[in-house]
Amino acid sequence: LAKTTQPISMDSYEGQEVNITCSHNNIATNDYITWYQQFPSQGPRFIIQGYKTKVTNEVASLFIPADRKSSTLSLPRVSLSDTAVYYCLLRGAGANNLFFGTGTRLTVIP
Amino acid sequence: NAGVTQTPKFQVLKTGQSMTLQCAQDMNHEYMSWYRQDPGMGLRLIHYSVGAGITDQGEVPNGYNVSRSTTEDFPLRLLSAAPSQTSVYFCATQPGMGDTEAFFGQGTRLTVV
Repeated sequence: LAKTTQPISMDSYEGQEVNITCSHNNIATNDYITWYQQFPSQGPRFIIQGYKTKVTNEVASLFIPADRKSSTLSLPRVSLSDTAVYYCLLRGAGANNLFFGTGTRLTVIP
Repeated sequence: NAGVTQTPKFQVLKTGQSMTLQCAQDMNHEYMSWYRQDPGMGLRLIHYSVGAGITDQGEVPNGYNVSRSTTEDFPLRLLSAAPSQTSVYFCATQPGMGDTEAFFGQGTRLTVV
């Protein structure tokens, strides 16, 4: 199973845009890139998923270059409530099982 | 609509005791799974079920049993608790095979002493 690599932690001030990059050099042709968010003492929550180029929803944007060897989760104008751990996962098409790494701990500072 | 409900929220067990962690969902999702999360780590898959009557092993199944007699319920049984099973346990559901989004419960924090 292809592995993902993310920064262990990041700090950001309120109101800034935050970009979290995930490296997945061995991504398979049928893998989708999925991001989850986890607050303390809660289960993970789905944020966004993409295959290539750019995907945007009401919460975040996901940028995927043509070679798909990395991806960037972009959170616009973060607030204190965005403090959480963010996980980048690869999920094969048709597969349900999720394989989590250690994620990126984002701390938003007032 | 409660979503995914896990009980209990907290539990302390003595080594060798057995117990069942409950997971119930009211979303009529076919796929259910159990994960454990150790401190500072990501989640690891224990067991999963693609529908009533069907279960299979994940990454770390040893020491755990599951059954799926109904669509709604997916209990996780610890046969003989060990300190290494101290963890936070999460149940998750997905509508069907290959669906994008997984919905997680609030977790059960288990301590084995």
